[in-house]
Amino acid sequence: DGGITQSPKYLFRKEGQNVTLSCEQNLNHDAMYWYRQDPGQGLRLIYYSQIVNDFQKGDIAEGYSVSREKKESFPLTVTSAQKNPTAFYLCASSRQQYGYTFGSGTRLTVV
Amino acid sequence: QKEVEQNSGPLSVPEGAIASLNCTYSDRGSQSFFWYRQYSGKSPELIMSIYSNGDKEDGRFTAQLNKASQYVSLLIRDSQPSDSATYLCAVIPSSGSARQLTFGSGTQLTVLP
Repeated sequence: DGGITQSPKYLFRKEGQNVTLSCEQNLNHDAMYWYRQDPGQGLRLIYYSQIVNDFQKGDIAEGYSVSREKKESFPLTVTSAQKNPTAFYLCASSRQQYGYTFGSGTRLTVV
Repeated sequence: QKEVEQNSGPLSVPEGAIASLNCTYSDRGSQSFFWYRQYSGKSPELIMSIYSNGDKEDGRFTAQLNKASQYVSLLIRDSQPSDSATYLCAVIPSSGSARQLTFGSGTQLTVLP
């Protein structure tokens, strides 16, 4: 079955540590996205990529980095520069003007 | 002004009633509109998309779009307790070169048995 796989489901980060969230899709979608959702809040765009080897910053890119070396993969690194990383992270992909398909999310907590 | 606005709720309706969820958007040139359902602790799930003025029905769900008034709504007929969730309105604005969705903050719906 086609879909988007995010891993891990839960992730704990220590102060000053970089962590990487995985996102893989087999839908053959060109565009991929990373969103952050805080409790009771809407989704805020971190980064997006329309094609391989190209990506753009979203509204809240500071403290995050991404890569797009393969069409299927769009990993997100939460760096130590992100001072408040505790949130629910959602990866999505889309085709043309259609809506997004979301992964199941990664819940990141700072310990 | 937020680009996509929704009443945060919570909205409570009795089982079997019609739930009406509303959304307004600021970009008059927006062309694509979506409703997502998000259960607590889960990721959003696309339930309706609408691209032209008027109504679009899918089972118990009806999406309504009025571009002149810049609003889109979602009606849920015969509401069930399983419909209790947060409903996110999302719009693809005309500005920019990418296809990124702009989301509202969501309306929390509770259907009371």
